[in-house]
Amino acid sequence: AQTVTQSQPEMSVQEAETVTLSCTYDTSESDYYLFWYKQPPSRQMILVIRQEAYKQQNATENRFSVNFQKAAKSFSLKISDSQLGDAAMYFCAYLREYGNKLVFGAGTILRVKS
Amino acid sequence: EPEVTQTPSHQVTQMGQEVILRCVPISNHLYFYWYRQILGQKVEFLVSFYNNEISEKSEIFDDQFSVERPDGSNFTLKIRSTKLEDSAMYFCASKGASAETQYFGPGTRLLVL
Repeated sequence: AQTVTQSQPEMSVQEAETVTLSCTYDTSESDYYLFWYKQPPSRQMILVIRQEAYKQQNATENRFSVNFQKAAKSFSLKISDSQLGDAAMYFCAYLREYGNKLVFGAGTILRVKS
Repeated sequence: EPEVTQTPSHQVTQMGQEVILRCVPISNHLYFYWYRQILGQKVEFLVSFYNNEISEKSEIFDDQFSVERPDGSNFTLKIRSTKLEDSAMYFCASKGASAETQYFGPGTRLLVL
């Protein structure tokens, strides 16, 4: 069974600084998708960024980028120029190709200091 | 921008009562999902639904749970006889035919007393 591990329960960053959230996963599949979702205090799940495993190029969405290391099964999220609105719980998630079930990590709480 | 909606936002019920959680997926999506998140815990997959039938379900999704797409827009999760441990946030999600990203609704917070 696939598992997703987020080893940082909580992280802090100063406004305008950069922070990296870690995620590792375990799978025997070669084709899959990885996601970062953000959950603010309202508890809605908001997609931040996604990565296809067959793509070597790291995904980028504005201030958000990933460092995808397929061999190491690592998928970290970098947030640049952090803003107060980035404060939330961040979940890493895995989906195998043609799969239905997103497998989530335990989440990392990100606090942004002004 | 189209979004998944869920009603109610909060529901309080007595143990043993039936509840129905409602979702309106994004209009051209064909794949539908329910997840739950017990407070302080991981988001867990419950069930996926496609072409009017369950395509996959987890161990959590026992006989007390059922899903239905009663019309062309709604997708419901029914819990027949609620237990205290069913208290959680329930998320509906949907996905289009040609993409892998699941889009989540705002959730229904269920409290079983």
